[in-house]
Amino acid sequence: EAGVAQSPRYKIIEKRQSVAFWCNPISGHATLYWYQQILGQGPKLLIQFQNNGVVDDSQLPKDRFSAERLKGVDSTLKIQPAKLEDSAVYLCASSYARTGGNTIYFGEGSWLTVV
Amino acid sequence: QKEVEQNSGPLSVPEGAIASLNCTYSDRGSQSFFWYRQYSGKSPELIMFIYSNGDKEDGRFTAQLNKASQYVSLLIRDSQPSDSATYLCAVNPLSSASKIIFGSGTRLSIRP
Repeated sequence: EAGVAQSPRYKIIEKRQSVAFWCNPISGHATLYWYQQILGQGPKLLIQFQNNGVVDDSQLPKDRFSAERLKGVDSTLKIQPAKLEDSAVYLCASSYARTGGNTIYFGEGSWLTVV
Repeated sequence: QKEVEQNSGPLSVPEGAIASLNCTYSDRGSQSFFWYRQYSGKSPELIMFIYSNGDKEDGRFTAQLNKASQYVSLLIRDSQPSDSATYLCAVNPLSSASKIIFGSGTRLSIRP
């Protein structure tokens, strides 16, 4: 079974530029998560989708971050304009369950450096 | 108060010994608890999950849950150098049943 796919793996941009990350979850997984992990910290949930609806985006900086999950499968996370503090790994994860309480599986992450 | 708290470490344990990793959580109604391992430069991978009070064993790993004390731990027996990694505790809080919240992780170093 294929795992969670993410791209690009690495991205370096200048501040105020924009960037987009793509995620394809495990087939059949209804729930998709985007986490931000800053070096030395644990993953922080940015947004959670169930199918193509948003379940939780309370920690998403909506003035610069946006995410969508069209057709309930692939998802894109966009940052515009980027700030230095956005340098982090952006982890996409998916879960079979419609709610929490079940195992989530992570992709390899997209590493962002903002200079 | 952080929702999930872990000692950042590093925790240094000699090879062959038992490594004990601890985690506390603030939401008393939390239902599900997970331990993930994260090697440097890699994404987290699930080691174990536990739902009920008591112990759950899987090979060299034992997860322990005490809901009354809001405490979950992970024991690693016969520690190997390959166990050197950051261990993340994660909780599914009752306050938001769809969330999985992570602690900041404990760095574990197994010395030969």
